[in-house]
Amino acid sequence: QVRLQESGPRVVKPSETLSLTCTVSGVSVTNTDYLWTWVRQPPGKALECIGYIYHSGTTNYDASLKTRLTISIDTSKNQFSLTLRSVTAADTAVYYCARAYYDFWTGYPDHFDPWGQGTLVTVSS
Amino acid sequence: EIVMTQSPATLSVSPGERATLSCRASQSINKKLAWYQQKAGQGPRLLIYGASTRATGVPARFSGSGSGTDFTLTISSLQSEDFAVYYCHYYNDWPLTFGGGTKVEIK
Repeated sequence: QVRLQESGPRVVKPSETLSLTCTVSGVSVTNTDYLWTWVRQPPGKALECIGYIYHSGTTNYDASLKTRLTISIDTSKNQFSLTLRSVTAADTAVYYCARAYYDFWTGYPDHFDPWGQGTLVTVSS
Repeated sequence: EIVMTQSPATLSVSPGERATLSCRASQSINKKLAWYQQKAGQGPRLLIYGASTRATGVPARFSGSGSGTDFTLTISSLQSEDFAVYYCHYYNDWPLTFGGGTKVEIK
């Protein structure tokens, strides 16, 4: 059974760096059939996919976060991570990691399955 | 960016009744649409992909239909465990986008 679990600090101060890790079990992050994604949901707002990474290290980011966001992958630990710099209150959200099927025709993610349970990160002093 | 609009925002249904949820795309997306169910404190669960293909383990009472810009998720006979929030998701391009969700509550 494939499982994803987010971990990291629940509270981050404004202007500091938010770092989360997603630990994957039941499948290798080097499997070429999948992409590894981060999705967030600010309180009362819709889900938004903020970026993804392929096992090769190829990434794609939401345009509005591109200058602050880095997604990386550690194949030795079967994990992938998110780093968001210079956070503000607008970055307060539940952050989910999810596995996406890789669409070989478009090069983009296909549907997401499974998802982690999510972790609420609050930006506050 | 393709905008996904779900309606209604809240749907009140009695157990055993049929629920019909709608999702509209701002432009044609072929059938690159998924539906997810989310319960409080949990991550979303995949129900439908390719607009109409049920994911593994999803009960047959869940069905998806539509193409182009208009899509529907139908729950044929609501069970107690089906009361949750449902999201549609477009995934054929970047950025991927989600609808705002429909909350299915007990009437």
